Amino acid sequence: KAGVTQTPRYLIKTRGQQVTLSCSPISGHRSVSWYQQTPGQGLQFLFEYFSETQRNKGNFPGRFSGRQFSNSRSEMNVSTLELGDSALYLCASSLAGQAEQYFGPGTRLTVT
Amino acid sequence: GEDVEQSLFLSVREGDSSVINCTYTDSSSTYLYWYKQEPGAGLQLLTYIFSNMDMKQDQRLTVLLNKKDKHLSLRIADTQTGDSAIYFCAESDSNYQLIWGAGTKLIIKP
Repeated sequence: KAGVTQTPRYLIKTRGQQVTLSCSPISGHRSVSWYQQTPGQGLQFLFEYFSETQRNKGNFPGRFSGRQFSNSRSEMNVSTLELGDSALYLCASSLAGQAEQYFGPGTRLTVT
Repeated sequence: GEDVEQSLFLSVREGDSSVINCTYTDSSSTYLYWYKQEPGAGLQLLTYIFSNMDMKQDQRLTVLLNKKDKHLSLRIADTQTGDSAIYFCAESDSNYQLIWGAGTKLIIKP
């Protein structure tokens, strides 16, 4: 069974631009969560989607948004990029009601 | 708010046991996890424990949970060079939203 895939793996953007990251969960997994990892703040929860609905949201500004499609694939969008948005963005998927979350390799975003 | 704490570094000799410790503050934690991250890679789920358990063993890994002290540990028996990585402790509530520690970098000495 294929693991969680994230595209693109690397991205370089300029301040003020916007970016969309994609995550394809493990087949059959309907819950997708997004996390931001930075050296300064560590791993922080962004949001979680289940059946196309956002169920949980972390403490991030409204510039960070996401959505989930009917095939459980998820995208996250960051608008008006700031230097501090440079991070590794990780996506995790899980079966409904299960504790195990499986992570993709991440998208490394660099904002210049 | 909830907090998870771990020491930043642990150095052990190859072949010895490694014990990585973690403390958390949220008494309503439902699950506690250990993840491994190798350089340039994503997070690999090593094991997790339900909060009503006090021990879980899986091959070379042993997880101990002291719920009264809110203390979680991961023991890796016969530590190998391939175990070099950053180990993250995390806890979640019934919504499975993960709160993470800062990670412990495990350094293996030959």
